[in-house]
Amino acid sequence: DAMVIQNPRYQVTQFGKPVTLSCSQTLNHNVMYWYQQKSSQAPKLLFHYYDKDFNNEADTPDNFQSRRPNTSFCFLDIRSPGLGDAAMYLCATSREGGGAGNQPQHFGDGTRLSIL
Amino acid sequence: GNSVTQMEGPVTLSEEAFLTINCTYTATGYPSLFWYVQYPGEGLQLLLKATKADDKGSNKGFEATYRKETTSFHLEKGSVQVSDSAVYFCALSDRDGGYNKLIFGAGTRLAVHP
Repeated sequence: DAMVIQNPRYQVTQFGKPVTLSCSQTLNHNVMYWYQQKSSQAPKLLFHYYDKDFNNEADTPDNFQSRRPNTSFCFLDIRSPGLGDAAMYLCATSREGGGAGNQPQHFGDGTRLSIL
Repeated sequence: GNSVTQMEGPVTLSEEAFLTINCTYTATGYPSLFWYVQYPGEGLQLLLKATKADDKGSNKGFEATYRKETTSFHLEKGSVQVSDSAVYFCALSDRDGGYNKLIFGAGTRLAVHP
Protein backbone atom coordinates (compact mmCIF):
# COMPACT_ATOMS: atom_id res chain seq x y z
CA ASP A 1 0.00 0.00 0.00
CA ALA A 2 1.19 3.50 -0.76
CA MET A 3 1.98 5.28 2.45
CA VAL A 4 3.98 7.71 4.55
CA ILE A 5 6.51 6.03 6.84
CA GLN A 6 8.28 7.65 9.75
CA ASN A 7 11.27 6.25 11.56
CA PRO A 8 11.81 5.71 14.34
CA ARG A 9 8.43 5.68 16.12
CA TYR A 10 10.12 6.67 19.37
CA GLN A 11 13.35 8.65 19.71
CA VAL A 12 15.16 9.60 22.89
CA THR A 13 17.98 12.12 22.84
CA GLN A 14 19.91 14.17 25.32
CA PHE A 15 19.51 17.86 25.90
CA GLY A 16 21.57 19.67 23.26
CA LYS A 17 22.46 16.53 21.27
CA PRO A 18 21.52 16.79 17.58
CA VAL A 19 18.84 14.42 16.38
CA THR A 20 17.44 13.54 12.96
CA LEU A 21 13.98 12.20 12.22
CA SER A 22 13.17 10.61 8.89
CA CYS A 23 10.15 10.34 6.63
CA SER A 24 9.66 8.42 3.42
CA GLN A 25 6.71 8.17 1.08
CA THR A 26 5.59 5.87 -1.69
CA LEU A 27 2.78 8.16 -2.85
CA ASN A 28 5.04 10.12 -5.22
CA HIS A 29 3.59 13.35 -3.84
CA ASN A 30 5.43 16.55 -4.65
CA VAL A 31 4.84 18.29 -1.31
CA MET A 32 6.14 17.09 2.06
CA TYR A 33 5.38 18.74 5.40
CA TRP A 34 6.74 18.56 8.93
CA TYR A 35 4.48 19.27 11.90
CA GLN A 36 5.13 19.45 15.62
CA GLN A 37 2.32 18.25 17.87
CA LYS A 38 2.42 18.69 21.63
CA SER A 39 0.12 16.89 24.00
CA SER A 40 -3.58 17.73 23.58
CA GLN A 41 -2.85 20.29 20.87
CA ALA A 42 -3.37 20.53 17.14
CA PRO A 43 -0.40 19.92 14.84
CA LYS A 44 1.71 23.01 14.20
CA LEU A 45 3.32 23.35 10.77
CA LEU A 46 7.09 23.83 10.93
CA PHE A 47 7.94 23.90 7.22
CA HIS A 48 7.30 22.16 3.94
CA TYR A 49 8.97 21.31 0.65
CA TYR A 50 7.19 21.99 -2.62
CA ASP A 51 9.32 19.77 -4.85
CA LYS A 52 12.82 21.04 -3.97
CA ASP A 53 11.67 24.44 -2.76
CA PHE A 54 11.92 24.83 1.01
CA ASN A 55 9.29 26.97 2.78
CA ASN A 56 9.77 27.85 6.43
CA GLU A 57 6.95 29.04 8.66
CA ALA A 58 7.68 32.44 10.15
CA ASP A 59 7.65 31.23 13.75
CA THR A 60 9.69 28.05 13.30
CA PRO A 61 12.82 28.27 15.49
CA ASP A 62 16.21 28.28 13.75
CA ASN A 63 17.01 25.14 15.73
CA PHE A 64 14.84 23.18 13.29
CA GLN A 65 16.16 22.38 9.82
CA SER A 66 15.06 20.07 7.04
CA ARG A 67 16.51 18.23 4.07
CA ARG A 68 14.85 16.61 1.09
CA PRO A 69 17.43 14.70 -0.94
CA ASN A 70 14.85 13.25 -3.34
CA THR A 71 11.09 13.00 -3.88
CA SER A 72 10.67 10.07 -1.51
CA PHE A 73 12.63 11.16 1.56
CA CYS A 74 12.56 14.12 3.90
CA PHE A 75 14.47 14.67 7.14
CA LEU A 76 13.91 16.85 10.17
CA ASP A 77 17.09 17.93 11.96
CA ILE A 78 16.99 19.44 15.43
CA ARG A 79 20.41 20.94 16.02
CA SER A 80 20.31 21.46 19.79
CA PRO A 81 17.15 19.99 21.30
CA GLY A 82 15.76 21.67 24.37
CA LEU A 83 13.24 20.27 26.82
CA GLY A 84 10.52 22.25 25.07
CA ASP A 85 11.12 20.33 21.85
CA ALA A 86 9.75 17.11 23.31
CA ALA A 87 6.72 16.37 21.15
CA MET A 88 5.26 14.17 18.44
CA TYR A 89 6.66 15.05 15.02
CA LEU A 90 4.39 14.31 12.08
CA CYS A 91 5.32 14.09 8.42
CA ALA A 92 2.66 14.58 5.76
CA THR A 93 2.49 14.63 1.98
CA SER A 94 0.14 15.99 -0.63
CA ARG A 95 -0.11 16.30 -4.37
CA GLU A 96 -0.33 19.83 -5.63
CA GLY A 97 -1.49 21.04 -8.99
CA GLY A 98 -4.84 19.29 -9.14
CA GLY A 99 -6.85 22.35 -8.23
CA ALA A 100 -6.90 24.81 -5.39
CA GLY A 101 -7.67 23.44 -1.97
CA ASN A 102 -9.03 19.98 -2.69
CA GLN A 103 -5.99 17.81 -2.09
CA PRO A 104 -5.86 16.21 1.36
CA GLN A 105 -2.65 15.70 3.25
CA HIS A 106 -1.59 12.16 4.10
CA PHE A 107 0.12 11.69 7.45
CA GLY A 108 2.61 9.22 8.83
CA ASP A 109 2.23 7.74 12.31
CA GLY A 110 4.72 10.19 13.76
CA THR A 111 7.90 10.04 15.81
CA ARG A 112 7.58 10.74 19.50
CA LEU A 113 10.70 12.61 20.65
CA SER A 114 11.77 12.62 24.28
CA ILE A 115 14.56 14.81 25.65
CA LEU A 116 16.57 13.67 28.68
CA GLY B 1 -6.83 35.37 8.97
CA ASN B 2 -8.52 32.04 8.37
CA SER B 3 -9.41 29.99 11.41
CA VAL B 4 -11.31 26.93 12.63
CA THR B 5 -13.23 26.64 15.89
CA GLN B 6 -14.29 23.28 17.30
CA MET B 7 -16.41 22.42 20.28
CA GLU B 8 -14.34 21.68 23.35
CA GLY B 9 -14.02 18.14 24.59
CA PRO B 10 -13.93 15.69 25.92
CA VAL B 11 -17.16 14.31 24.56
CA THR B 12 -18.22 11.20 26.43
CA LEU B 13 -20.89 8.95 24.98
CA SER B 14 -22.32 5.50 25.46
CA GLU B 15 -22.05 3.01 22.63
CA GLU B 16 -24.76 3.46 19.96
CA ALA B 17 -25.38 7.09 20.93
CA PHE B 18 -25.65 9.85 18.33
CA LEU B 19 -22.56 12.00 17.85
CA THR B 20 -22.25 15.63 16.83
CA ILE B 21 -18.99 17.56 16.95
CA ASN B 22 -19.45 21.18 15.97
CA CYS B 23 -17.00 22.96 13.71
CA THR B 24 -17.21 26.49 12.36
CA TYR B 25 -14.72 28.34 10.24
CA THR B 26 -13.67 31.79 9.16
CA ALA B 27 -12.23 32.08 5.69
CA THR B 28 -11.93 34.29 2.66
CA GLY B 29 -12.62 32.60 -0.61
CA TYR B 30 -13.79 29.00 -0.86
CA PRO B 31 -11.62 26.65 1.18
CA SER B 32 -11.91 22.88 1.21
CA LEU B 33 -12.92 21.41 4.56
CA PHE B 34 -11.68 18.22 6.20
CA TRP B 35 -12.17 16.04 9.24
CA TYR B 36 -9.11 14.13 10.43
CA VAL B 37 -9.09 11.49 13.18
CA GLN B 38 -6.15 10.65 15.43
CA TYR B 39 -6.17 7.39 17.36
CA PRO B 40 -3.89 7.12 20.43
CA GLY B 41 -0.23 7.01 19.49
CA GLU B 42 -0.87 7.41 15.77
CA GLY B 43 -0.77 10.08 13.11
CA LEU B 44 -3.76 11.81 11.59
CA GLN B 45 -6.00 9.96 9.18
CA LEU B 46 -8.28 11.69 6.72
CA LEU B 47 -11.85 10.84 7.71
CA LEU B 48 -13.80 12.85 5.13
CA LYS B 49 -13.69 16.01 3.07
CA ALA B 50 -15.86 18.48 1.18
CA THR B 51 -14.62 20.86 -1.46
CA LYS B 52 -17.56 23.20 -2.11
CA ALA B 53 -20.75 24.48 -0.56
CA ASP B 54 -23.48 21.88 0.09
CA ASP B 55 -21.06 18.99 -0.49
CA LYS B 56 -21.51 16.14 1.96
CA GLY B 57 -18.46 14.13 2.90
CA SER B 58 -19.01 10.67 4.35
CA ASN B 59 -16.92 7.71 5.49
CA LYS B 60 -17.27 4.85 8.00
CA GLY B 61 -20.71 6.08 9.06
CA PHE B 62 -19.50 9.64 9.70
CA GLU B 63 -20.75 12.53 7.64
CA ALA B 64 -20.43 16.30 7.45
CA THR B 65 -22.00 18.90 5.17
CA TYR B 66 -20.22 22.05 3.98
CA ARG B 67 -22.61 24.87 4.97
CA LYS B 68 -21.46 28.16 3.55
CA GLU B 69 -24.40 30.14 4.94
CA THR B 70 -23.53 29.16 8.50
CA THR B 71 -19.77 28.63 7.85
CA SER B 72 -20.04 25.22 9.49
CA PHE B 73 -18.88 21.65 8.89
CA HIS B 74 -20.31 19.65 11.79
CA LEU B 75 -19.34 16.00 12.14
CA GLU B 76 -22.13 13.49 12.82
CA LYS B 77 -22.50 9.77 13.30
CA GLY B 78 -25.73 8.01 14.04
CA SER B 79 -24.39 5.26 16.28
CA VAL B 80 -20.90 5.43 17.77
CA GLN B 81 -18.77 2.46 18.74
CA VAL B 82 -16.04 2.07 21.34
CA SER B 83 -13.55 1.90 18.46
CA ASP B 84 -14.49 5.48 17.48
CA SER B 85 -12.74 6.78 20.60
CA ALA B 86 -10.11 9.20 19.30
CA VAL B 87 -9.34 12.87 18.79
CA TYR B 88 -11.13 14.53 15.87
CA PHE B 89 -9.70 17.56 14.09
CA CYS B 90 -11.64 19.85 11.79
CA ALA B 91 -9.45 21.63 9.25
CA LEU B 92 -9.65 23.95 6.29
CA SER B 93 -7.30 24.20 3.37
CA ASP B 94 -5.96 27.72 2.99
CA ARG B 95 -4.32 28.65 -0.24
CA ASP B 96 -1.14 30.41 0.93
CA GLY B 97 1.08 31.38 -1.93
CA GLY B 98 1.58 28.34 -4.09
CA TYR B 99 0.46 25.62 -1.75
CA ASN B 100 -2.44 24.48 0.40
CA LYS B 101 -1.87 25.05 4.09
CA LEU B 102 -4.06 23.18 6.58
CA ILE B 103 -5.56 25.26 9.37
CA PHE B 104 -6.61 22.95 12.21
CA GLY B 105 -9.11 23.37 14.97
CA ALA B 106 -7.96 22.54 18.49
CA GLY B 107 -9.31 18.99 18.30
CA THR B 108 -12.13 17.27 20.17
CA ARG B 109 -11.50 14.14 22.18
CA LEU B 110 -14.26 11.53 21.96
CA ALA B 111 -14.56 8.76 24.52
CA VAL B 112 -17.15 6.03 23.88
CA HIS B 113 -18.02 3.65 26.70
CA PRO B 114 -19.65 0.21 26.35
